[in-house]
Amino acid sequence: GAVVSQHPSWVICKSGTSVKIECRSLDFQATTMFWYRQFPKQSLMLMATSNEGSKATYEQGVEKDKFLINHASLTLSTLTVTSAHPEDSSFYICSAARDREDYGYTFGSGTRLTVV
Amino acid sequence: AQTVTQSQPEMSVQEAETVTLSCTYDTSENNYYLFWYKQPPSRQMILVIRQEAYKQQNATENRFSVNFQKAAKSFSLKISDSQLGDTAMYFCAFMKLGSGNTGKLIFGQGTTLQVKP
Repeated sequence: GAVVSQHPSWVICKSGTSVKIECRSLDFQATTMFWYRQFPKQSLMLMATSNEGSKATYEQGVEKDKFLINHASLTLSTLTVTSAHPEDSSFYICSAARDREDYGYTFGSGTRLTVV
Repeated sequence: AQTVTQSQPEMSVQEAETVTLSCTYDTSENNYYLFWYKQPPSRQMILVIRQEAYKQQNATENRFSVNFQKAAKSFSLKISDSQLGDTAMYFCAFMKLGSGNTGKLIFGQGTTLQVKP
């Protein structure tokens, strides 16, 4: 089955620094990748949709300059949290899809970000 | 705008018994998918079952089945013969189809299910 690898699984960083999270589709080409944020015991909220070779589409209320998304290849999308602050601490999850029929099937294992 | 509501924050069930998780949604769309996801303590999101709105037949996957009532906009998940490994948070989700399909999933608040031995 399709596998999506997300790295790192957890990271602690100092306030004001930037952190990059990678999402890779290991055995398929992902035309679209999605980035979600999840607070403890809460639901997932879509942050942005990333299509290979084009700019990401951000959801309303998500700061584009704070959360930089790059989808440079069909197997890799990255989320960079810039100038991180404690309120950015959260669980970030990516999802990847081959095509429209594949939407919703495969998620990465998530990244727990703690900003101190 | 679409919304998904799960009104049961927590539920518990005895091992081997059956439990039903509720989900209602609101949409003016006619063409969409509905999903149930499982998120165990590892926090890996796992697709449990998917239902296409145009299909009247309820989807089933082994011990998991849904009761899809399109007119009532209800999409409940039944877990039969509950196992300890079913302990997880369960999310109901909606995705619009058609020309405006962006793959965006709208999630409910989640239901934490505990299976007791």
